[in-house]
Amino acid sequence: RKEVEQDPGPFNVPEGATVAFNCTYSNSASQSFFWYRQDCRKEPKLLMSVYSSGNEDGRFTAQLNRASQYISLLIRDSKLSDSATYLCAVTRGSTLGRLYFGRGTQLTVWP
Amino acid sequence: DGGITQSPKYLFRKEGQNVTLSCEQNLNHDAMYWYRQDPGQGLRLIYYSQIVNDFQKGDIAEGYSVSREKKESFPLTVTSAQKNPTAFYLCASNGKSSYNSPLHFGNGTRLTVT
Repeated sequence: RKEVEQDPGPFNVPEGATVAFNCTYSNSASQSFFWYRQDCRKEPKLLMSVYSSGNEDGRFTAQLNRASQYISLLIRDSKLSDSATYLCAVTRGSTLGRLYFGRGTQLTVWP
Repeated sequence: DGGITQSPKYLFRKEGQNVTLSCEQNLNHDAMYWYRQDPGQGLRLIYYSQIVNDFQKGDIAEGYSVSREKKESFPLTVTSAQKNPTAFYLCASNGKSSYNSPLHFGNGTRLTVT
């Protein structure tokens, strides 16, 4: 089983829509969780960390469910500029700092 | 401004040649990483180093080599033994190894081997 799994999409939504992505992880010892955004042919950039209590940054909300071993990203009021690939990443307690990435979920927001 | 610099942005090589990708950071980060990205495959870890003069193999180290002689630098050599070297290579770093330290990425080197 892969360390981190994501639905690759693509997700195609109209502007203003709400869209949610899930990411499951296999190792219950995973300690830290992140969402990255990657534009076409560019490097990934940190979107937000995911905390146990859930966290929000503007239109973006991240949640962690340790019991079911998944993290989620909710984007409200989608903008055209949200079109990108969203990667989830987790660490495992045995190797500090090393991140395991999902394959990414592609999002296209259309006008 | 602090950051991670990878060079060159595009690299073309003939099969059978070794090639070295540069990665320099001025973030004073202890740990550095090399990932490879292929279409539809996400990021796969090649090598990582958590301290100067020490490094560990990642999931796909075969055909690659690294060195970490300075804290700021972590060059990756793609050898002729790497069967499918054409890919997007990403260097990353993070602070003193801790549980909540996200990675910062360089802007990548796109290697094409023909």
